[in-house]
Amino acid sequence: QVQLVESGGGVVQPGRSLRLSCAASGFTFTSYGVHWIRQAPGKGLEWVAVISFDGFNKHYADSVQGRFTISRDNSKSTLYLQMNSLRAEDTAIYYCARDQEFISTTSTSFDSWGQGTLVTVSS
Amino acid sequence: AVQLTQSPSSLSASVGDRVTIACRASQGISSALAWYQQNPGKPPKLLISDASSLESGVPSRFSGSGSGTDFTLTISSLQPEDFATYYCQQFDTYPLTFGGGTKVEI
Repeated sequence: QVQLVESGGGVVQPGRSLRLSCAASGFTFTSYGVHWIRQAPGKGLEWVAVISFDGFNKHYADSVQGRFTISRDNSKSTLYLQMNSLRAEDTAIYYCARDQEFISTTSTSFDSWGQGTLVTVSS
Repeated sequence: AVQLTQSPSSLSASVGDRVTIACRASQGISSALAWYQQNPGKPPKLLISDASSLESGVPSRFSGSGSGTDFTLTISSLQPEDFATYYCQQFDTYPLTFGGGTKVEI
């Protein structure tokens, strides 16, 4: 079955960097776009970024544009999120999620989710 | 960015009730809308995509309708496991956006 396992979360000071990883299994990773979505404690969902199946197309939320970078290593079936210049408002559970569309450069809905990794930005 | 406004933000209902949740988009998004259910401490679960397509394994008491700017999620007969928070999400335009959520309580 599809499995997505996030890692790399933790407590980090404002202005510092952190890299999240998401290990995928149970499906052909190279055929699907993958997303990062976050949820601040007690709040709603916020889409963060997407990378297409081939890694060539990337899109970001305005709130992270220029600070976060999404990437993927298809040889390792792993998704990454490099987060720089972290702010208190970046504190959230970060989920990776698979796009529902097979071999597509457009995004649709998220049909599989990981359990999430908590990032806390605090001094 | 396309803003999605869900209403109500919370509701109280009983087992067996028919429940309707609305999602309004700030601009037309055709049928590019999905609905998710989230239980506390868990990731969201996809219920419906393309406004009305029920995902495999999702009970038939869930249904979605609408297109353009106005969408609805309906639970025909609320079951104990349906008490959760529901979110709509649009995928017509980047940035992808979610509604603020609707908490369904007993």
